[in-house]
Amino acid sequence: SQQGEEDPQALSIQEGENATMNCSYKTSINNLQWYRQNSGRGLVHLILIRSNEREKHSGRLRVTLDTSKKSSSLLITASRAADTASYFCATGIQGAQKLVFGQGTRLTINP
Amino acid sequence: SAVISQKPSRDICQRGTSLTIQCQVDSQVTMMFWYRQQPGQSLTLIATANQGSEATYESGFVIDKFPISRPNLTFSTLTVSNMSPEDSSIYLCSVEEQGGIQAFFGQGTRLTVV
Repeated sequence: SQQGEEDPQALSIQEGENATMNCSYKTSINNLQWYRQNSGRGLVHLILIRSNEREKHSGRLRVTLDTSKKSSSLLITASRAADTASYFCATGIQGAQKLVFGQGTRLTINP
Repeated sequence: SAVISQKPSRDICQRGTSLTIQCQVDSQVTMMFWYRQQPGQSLTLIATANQGSEATYESGFVIDKFPISRPNLTFSTLTVSNMSPEDSSIYLCSVEEQGGIQAFFGQGTRLTVV
């Protein structure tokens, strides 16, 4: 079964607003990564946060990780129409050199 | 960052036939990963391919259905055999970055089986 659960499954906001997506997982991890996918194409790596980190920033992205709650959040600030995409979290599982993906959040930014 | 070229980008195939998908990387990588993404779904790992050894398949995926080749450190193929409409998906290859954490994906192959 999939490791990650993401919510919301779909999110629609106005351009300029902030978007927050959440990811929960079940087992111990080495790291958690967020990816973006446009229109069913390849995945673009956005940001990686290691299990010993709590927060990380990259441009308009802010990721938090709470290993006690086995959860992470991705915040996109000042959203743009170009941010419209599906966003996936993926966990690097301890003891396994592979990623397990969450179900994804479909984000729509309305102009 | 690694640049991954995946071919074909899309194909429409008849049921019962096979399709081989190619994945070329612009640098040498130890491990390559093949994923399937069914319509509207997330990514599921099919198998991990190391150069010079048999691929390691995840639960629910078998070599007879998804044979994989890994002839060198920059190239791999995935074959989808004896296709049925249920195999209609996007297939993606992925490689490790230098730190050993998987991060880079090809653009995917959108397969439709009719």
